[in-house]
Amino acid sequence: ETGVTQTPRHLVMGMTNKKSLKCEQHLGHNAMYWYKQSAKKPLELMFVYNFKEQTENNSVPSRFSPECPNSSHLFLHLHTLQPEDSALYLCASSQPAYHEQFFGPGTRLTVL
Amino acid sequence: DQQVKQNSPSLSVQEGRISILNCDYTNSMFDYFLWYKKYPAEGPTFLISISSIKDKNEDGRFTVFLNKSAKHLSLHIVPSQPGDSAVYFCAAKERGSNSGYALNFGKGTSLLVTP
Repeated sequence: ETGVTQTPRHLVMGMTNKKSLKCEQHLGHNAMYWYKQSAKKPLELMFVYNFKEQTENNSVPSRFSPECPNSSHLFLHLHTLQPEDSALYLCASSQPAYHEQFFGPGTRLTVL
Repeated sequence: DQQVKQNSPSLSVQEGRISILNCDYTNSMFDYFLWYKKYPAEGPTFLISISSIKDKNEDGRFTVFLNKSAKHLSLHIVPSQPGDSAVYFCAAKERGSNSGYALNFGKGTSLLVTP
């Protein structure tokens, strides 16, 4: 595997379910990100991890809980979501001193 | 309030002609700008970037122009090819952020290159 991978690619869940999104990067990067893309809106940054430490939480509701066990893996734990949380969730990674972020293919989440 | 704006949601260009995608920004602290390309069912792919100390950067068929006084940048694709049909996102980084930083994205412009 190369680049940034995300699983699952599609997820349908009820409002009472608990699920997790997984992201893995094979680029040797030290920073990882979660973004949300809703219909007709720009990509919105949710969380930033730098060397496994969370450095930014962009006012995200607590029903989204990130976890970064090491520099290569990033999780987004979901619980009691709302239908308006349905969106494309994108993971990205980057290397310090370089400005480009590399994105995974995303997880298309639908909350019923 | 959106700091990066792509005011044209879509653009249609004939194959072989020039495609010009525009982006405006409001934050004077932005010091680095990027263009991403996104196909359906894929994540955004980095295309080209420019630092605020430059006014032009070229990479093959892609050229980005930056006009700091107007807070405007544009992406030129010449000649356009059908495979360039995708959504193009403009993004900007704020000065002072180093490791682990936020990118501010525009809403994207959907480019269609017709044969």
